[in-house]
Amino acid sequence: TVMTQSPATLSVSPGERASLSCRASQSVSSNLAWYQQKPGQAPRLLIYGASTRATGIPARFSGSGSGTEFTLTISSLQSEDFAVYYCQQYNNWPRTFGQGTKMEI
Amino acid sequence: EVQLVQSGGGLVQPGGSLRLSCSASGFTFSSYAMHWVRQAPGRGLEYISVISSNGGTTYYADLLKGRFTISRDNSKNTLYLEMSSLRPEDTAVYYCVKGGNTAMVNLPFDYWGQGTLVTVSS
Repeated sequence: TVMTQSPATLSVSPGERASLSCRASQSVSSNLAWYQQKPGQAPRLLIYGASTRATGIPARFSGSGSGTEFTLTISSLQSEDFAVYYCQQYNNWPRTFGQGTKMEI
Repeated sequence: EVQLVQSGGGLVQPGGSLRLSCSASGFTFSSYAMHWVRQAPGRGLEYISVISSNGGTTYYADLLKGRFTISRDNSKNTLYLEMSSLRPEDTAVYYCVKGGNTAMVNLPFDYWGQGTLVTVSS
């Protein structure tokens, strides 16, 4: 299952809203996760089940979608949110990730 | 607290072999599947393999099948990845990841090791 994220880079200002897109080449139901990765760190799980926030994740992060089209929305960007975001499907084998969206100031 | 501490990375020549380790704590290691994922420098994440809790079931991404072997020692709470016939394109940070209670269950990756860098170069 090929996961395609857009845009590759998103330039936003602190306090603004950001929407990141992820498209699957075939249905993954709601078995879709979003991860945040900062330089030199392992990815951190943000959203699973397409829309459920992982433990400790702030409410400004939200996910939506099912099937093949998914969106991650950050309602009001904070300085610590500037990172790379990956979507991942865990419905089909092998598990696959999108190529990432880099959120920059 | 779940902890996955990795070791074993380094510089290896093309055609060489290397074994990565991932030492687990904070959960009942023998009850959970484990995964490996890698990330080439400046690139995205690539799935490698999964092993069931008792080691009886394994799965590999097609591109890596035959060169990489996943295994575990539940008495030592340790996961391994044996890599052979290494190529420059295998250069990456390798992550171990805690899985679910079965190998093929549909669950996200909630706990990751810190990553270990493998560099394949002459």
